[in-house]
Amino acid sequence: DAGVTQSPTHLIKTRGQHVTLRCSPISGHKSVSWYQQVLGQGPQFIFQYYEKEERGRGNFPDRFSARQFPNYSSELNVNALLLGDSALYLCASSLDILSFFGQGTRLTVV
Amino acid sequence: QKEVEQNSGPLSVPEGAIASLNCTYSDRGSQSFFWYRQYSGKSPELIMSIYSNGDKEDGRFTAQLNKASQYVSLLIRDSQPSDSATYLCAVKRMDNNNDMRFGAGTRLTVKP
Repeated sequence: DAGVTQSPTHLIKTRGQHVTLRCSPISGHKSVSWYQQVLGQGPQFIFQYYEKEERGRGNFPDRFSARQFPNYSSELNVNALLLGDSALYLCASSLDILSFFGQGTRLTVV
Repeated sequence: QKEVEQNSGPLSVPEGAIASLNCTYSDRGSQSFFWYRQYSGKSPELIMSIYSNGDKEDGRFTAQLNKASQYVSLLIRDSQPSDSATYLCAVKRMDNNNDMRFGAGTRLTVKP
């Protein structure tokens, strides 16, 4: 079975641009969560979606948005990129209480 | 006070020794507790979960939970160089399905 897949794996963007990150959960998993991990820190919760509805939102500005599609895949959008948005963006898929991460998207903002 | 606190390390142990990793949390509403292993440049990998006070063993790993003291630990027996990684402690309230709060992680080095 395929695990959680994220695309792209690496991305370089310029300040002010926007970016879209994509995630496909494990087959059968209906919940997707997004996390941001800055170097040297633990992941920070951004969003959770379940059955296409937002179930939770972390302490991130409105420049961050997300959605979930009928096939349970998800997109994370970030507008007006700042240098501080440079991080590893992780998608986690879960069926019940356990969460499994994809390989992440490394975003560098220059 | 951080919600989840871990010693950043580095923690260094010789091969074959027991590595002990500790974590404290501030939210008494936390009900689920997890340990993730993260190799450098990779994503976190779930290695243990624990929900009740006491010990839970899985192979060389033992998770320990004390809700009264708001303390979670991970013991790694017979440590191997391949165990060298950052270990992340995460906690979750049951009213938020996936809002996990992570510590900053403890970096473990196992020396041959």
